Amino acid sequence: EAQVTQNPRYLITVTGKKLTVTCSQNMNHEYMSWYRQDPGLGLRQIYYSMNVEVTDKGDVPEGYKVSRKEKRNFPLILESPSPNQTSLYFCASSLSLAGETQYFGPGTRLLVL
Amino acid sequence: AQSVSQHNHHVILSEAASLELGCNYSYGGTVNLFWYVQYPGQHLQLLLKYFSGDPLVKGIKGFEAEFIKSKFSFNLRKPSVQWSDTAEYFCAVRGATNKLIFGTGTLLAVQP
Repeated sequence: EAQVTQNPRYLITVTGKKLTVTCSQNMNHEYMSWYRQDPGLGLRQIYYSMNVEVTDKGDVPEGYKVSRKEKRNFPLILESPSPNQTSLYFCASSLSLAGETQYFGPGTRLLVL
Repeated sequence: AQSVSQHNHHVILSEAASLELGCNYSYGGTVNLFWYVQYPGQHLQLLLKYFSGDPLVKGIKGFEAEFIKSKFSFNLRKPSVQWSDTAEYFCAVRGATNKLIFGTGTLLAVQP
């Protein structure tokens, strides 16, 4: 089954404790991205990747890192999480960048205390 | 800069009522337009999309949207809503920057 998976689905952590949220897709998609969803703000793009070893900042990249060592995986790293990073995070992928539908993962709900 | 406005933040309807959710964008060039739906506790799913051609686009579950270029709008419609349509709806636009910009969402509650 074609899908985007994220782990963990729920995470409670404390300020400053490094964490990684994994994202994997099995559709051989080139383009992957991370969004955060906050009430009243919709979805905002954090980082995106157009292919292996090619990543770029989205609209709200501060406090986040990503890597794309393999085509299928695009982990989101919070080196030193802060409470303002409490949010719902979605990973998405598409075959290519231009004019393609993005497929979303199930989301990761993060609470930073 | 590209932006997307969804003017209705919350909409409450009774079953069988007609639905229209507004979406306006600010970008003068060629755009790709999307409507996504997020059911409670689930991830975003594509409802419909417009790339080119017929400006009236039909999607899944009886939804449709009309692209009106002169008004920079892409409103979502459904003639008769059901309780199962209760969800949050997001309009999204992709322009020349190739970034997908989302609106802030409209929460639809359908009362049985």
